[in-house]
Amino acid sequence: GDQVEQSPSALSLHEGTGSALRCNFTTTMRAVQWFQQNSRGSLINLFYLASGTKENGRLKSTFNSKESYSTLHIRDAQLEDSGTYFCAAAPTGANTGKLTFGHGTILRVHP
Amino acid sequence: NSKVIQTPRYLVKGQGQKAKMRCIPEKGHPVVFWYQQNKNNEFKFLINFQNQEVLQQIDMTEKRFSAECPSNSPCSLEIQSSEAGDSALYLCASSLRGRDTEVFFGKGTRLTVV
Repeated sequence: GDQVEQSPSALSLHEGTGSALRCNFTTTMRAVQWFQQNSRGSLINLFYLASGTKENGRLKSTFNSKESYSTLHIRDAQLEDSGTYFCAAAPTGANTGKLTFGHGTILRVHP
Repeated sequence: NSKVIQTPRYLVKGQGQKAKMRCIPEKGHPVVFWYQQNKNNEFKFLINFQNQEVLQQIDMTEKRFSAECPSNSPCSLEIQSSEAGDSALYLCASSLRGRDTEVFFGKGTRLTVV
């Protein structure tokens, strides 16, 4: 079965508001990455976390490996934040760094 | 952000034709990954390399795809005989180590098999 369950699958936000995306893992993960994929398909790195919390501008991400989840918080959403967001993680014990991706959250920010 | 270079950006092939795409990893990154992303946003790991050696690959890659990462040349992924179901975005990524390190993706090659 799926090792990475991402929610919500779609999200609509007014400019200036915020929300959270979440990934639950059904197996223990070593680290998690969050990406934004733009309309042309480019995957932009947002965060890499082996544990704890990181913040970058209007984005903040947390990875709790013990409780098997990660979150991505967006605040003060802007139009350019629209896109598809993916979490991806590497299971503990995997030796080659292969990532397992969530199914993505399609974010639309509107005026 | 990423310095992984993929060519071509778009590729159109007929069924049964070969489809070849290339990737130059970020400088100093010995580990290269190939993933396939379908229209349902599902990512499928295909193969990864450390320098020229294959680390891991899936059955499909073993049978219908060929991939290599020769020294001093771009890495490549080739589908021997394209099928309609191969239409997808093919993403190359590189990293400093095989695990416990951030992975950086190229912009992808979008393959359409007609």
